Amino acid sequence: NAGVTQTPKFQVLKTGQSMTLQCAQDMNHNSMYWYRQDPGMGLRLIYYSASEGTTDKGEVPNGYNVSRLNKREFSLRLESAAPSQTSVYFCASSETGVEQYFGPGTRLTVT
Amino acid sequence: AQSVTQLGSHVSVSEGALVLLRCNYSSSVPPYLFWYVQYPNQGLQLLLKYTTGATLVKGINGFEAEFKKSETSFHLTKPSAHMSDAAEYFCAVTPLRAGSYQLTFGKGTKLSVIP
Repeated sequence: NAGVTQTPKFQVLKTGQSMTLQCAQDMNHNSMYWYRQDPGMGLRLIYYSASEGTTDKGEVPNGYNVSRLNKREFSLRLESAAPSQTSVYFCASSETGVEQYFGPGTRLTVT
Repeated sequence: AQSVTQLGSHVSVSEGALVLLRCNYSSSVPPYLFWYVQYPNQGLQLLLKYTTGATLVKGINGFEAEFKKSETSFHLTKPSAHMSDAAEYFCAVTPLRAGSYQLTFGKGTKLSVIP
C-alpha cells in the first residue's frame, strides 16, 4: 500500500497563477483532509471531506477550493495564488474521522 | 471548541535522558487525544492516541503519554532519549462526538537530542 500520496512534491508559482494539488489514498478511507503547515503555527485545517460527495470548510478556507473527485482522490485548488499561501500542504485520510494518516506534503512557494 | 497548548517550542535533552513534552488541552466535551511525530521533510506519523479506557497509553518507539482529566493534560514521555528521536512533535485533540472530524493541533515542539 502506498498510503496517502501527494503531487507535486515542490512547486513555485508567481502571484496570480493557479494550480491544483492532488491527493490520493489507497486505504479505502471515507474522510479526507487538507492542511497547511507554517512555521510556529502547527497544522491548520483548510477543507475536509467527511465522505464521498461532501466537503466542508475548516479553519482557513479563504483562497482555496476543493473537489472530492471520488472516494480515493481529494484535490485542492488555488485559483489566484498569493504570497501568503506559501506553505507546506498536507493531505490526510481517515476511516473513522478520528485517526488520520498523512501524505508526505507539497512545498509551495508563491513569489 | 477545543484548543491545544504545547509548552516549549524547542526542547533539548541529552542522549539517554528523560524526554518530557508537555501538552494541555481544552475541550467542551470529552476528547480524543493524539501525539504525532514529524521527521524533517516528511509527513506526520501517529505516535500514540487516547480514546477511552486506560489513561496511560503506549506508542511506538518507546513513547508513552498519560491522560489526566483533572489537569487537562496529555504529556508525552520517554525514559531514555535516542538520537533518532530528534523531530518535531505535535499534540492534537478532537471531541469525542459522532460526526466530528476536525483535529485541532498544537503549534509543535521541536526536540533536539544532544550526544
